[in-house]
Amino acid sequence: DTAVSQTPKYLVTQMGNDKSIKCEQNLGHDTMYWYKQDSKKFLKIMFSYNNKELIINETVPNRFSPKSPDKAHLNLHINSLELGDSAVYFCASSQDENIQYFGAGTRLSVL
Amino acid sequence: GDSVTQMEGPVTLSEEAFLTINCTYTATGYPSLFWYVQYPGEGLQLLLKATKADDKGSNKGFEATYRKETTSFHLEKGSVQVSDSAVYFCALSDRRGRRALTFGSGTRLQVQP
Repeated sequence: DTAVSQTPKYLVTQMGNDKSIKCEQNLGHDTMYWYKQDSKKFLKIMFSYNNKELIINETVPNRFSPKSPDKAHLNLHINSLELGDSAVYFCASSQDENIQYFGAGTRLSVL
Repeated sequence: GDSVTQMEGPVTLSEEAFLTINCTYTATGYPSLFWYVQYPGEGLQLLLKATKADDKGSNKGFEATYRKETTSFHLEKGSVQVSDSAVYFCALSDRRGRRALTFGSGTRLQVQP
């Protein structure tokens, strides 16, 4: 069983479209995250939720909106996609020791 | 703010060579330190961690020691294998409550047979 699963794995879309990425964890963790990895492999935190409550909201355009329906799920919705949004998006989860478990990533390509 | 600096890659080694990937950090307080590894096409996996000064993290032949005096957490392995080829990320976690990881820029390791 995959601990942190993201769908879809690949997402190719046109500029201006709206898309969502889903994330689910079966580890029973309280905290979930979204990270963005750019073309140079640099990883940066976008959002963090703890028990469905938004904890971290970094300087991210408000076209990005996370939603956590329950503590096992954290979805990312992106409106009006731009070329610069092309990246790999990683979901992660953690519990007390803050060892983070990552999903396999969603590679988003905006054309 | 917190930051992590890693040596730039790629690092290219022959099988059985000794590996060092340098990592230094800047943080307020006493962060936990991590090394994560990303194999091609996969997500990140925790390789090892250390939570306080002088702790040594180790896993799969890799080691790193938390050096508070030099604010460093260098990754070492005595004899690399082709299967170690991946991107390695040094990271820190602010234990004051923010909990997100701050990553270095990653170092690509290529091991040749």
